Amino acid sequence: GNSVTQMEGPVTLSEEAFLTINCTYTATGYPSLFWYVQYPGEGLQLLLKATKADDKGSNKGFEATYRKETTSFHLEKGSVQVSDSAVYFCALEGGGFKTIFGAGTRLFVKA
Amino acid sequence: EAQVTQNPRYLITVTGKKLTVTCSQNMNHEYMSWYRQDPGLGLRQIYYSMNVEVTDKGDVPEGYKVSRKEKRNFPLILESPSPNQTSLYFCASSAWIGGNDQPQHFGDGTRLSIL
Repeated sequence: GNSVTQMEGPVTLSEEAFLTINCTYTATGYPSLFWYVQYPGEGLQLLLKATKADDKGSNKGFEATYRKETTSFHLEKGSVQVSDSAVYFCALEGGGFKTIFGAGTRLFVKA
Repeated sequence: EAQVTQNPRYLITVTGKKLTVTCSQNMNHEYMSWYRQDPGLGLRQIYYSMNVEVTDKGDVPEGYKVSRKEKRNFPLILESPSPNQTSLYFCASSAWIGGNDQPQHFGDGTRLSIL
């Protein structure tokens, strides 16, 4: 079946550092891929998405490229801020109306 | 404002006492879903619904029931709660436009503690 694997956290960075959170997936067919962000005490919010191979999703300085050859969708940001501290979830929708989420990666950014 | 509303936000109850968590969305979305979030496990899907009167099991449906009598509402029912159902629960909804590329909109969560 479909699955999503994210790098374990927590990830701790200083402000303005470069961020990478790895995400790989297993799926049949042509899934859509998403990154969601969860701030403390809140539900998940869509951060970005990509619906086909080589698509790049981007939002608020975050980017992720749908790499079918490596089955990956790594999240990157060139310069993180304290306000980026949150939990990040990689997710896959492969048809069949089911969404598969990764375990989540907690990011702490220090001033 | 477009939103998904869950109630209650917090609930402490005892084993075996039936409870219902309500979920309502105001975006006229066809698709609705319930998840539970547990440390180290991410979000796991409990049940989902493609439209009124159409529901199906997710990955962890045991001990839960749902209904979809109206498009906007999708309540989660625990007929006989047990301590292993202590968790953080999220309701979500999305439009369904014939594909799998629509993002989900999430409620703020319901923290259930079953003693």
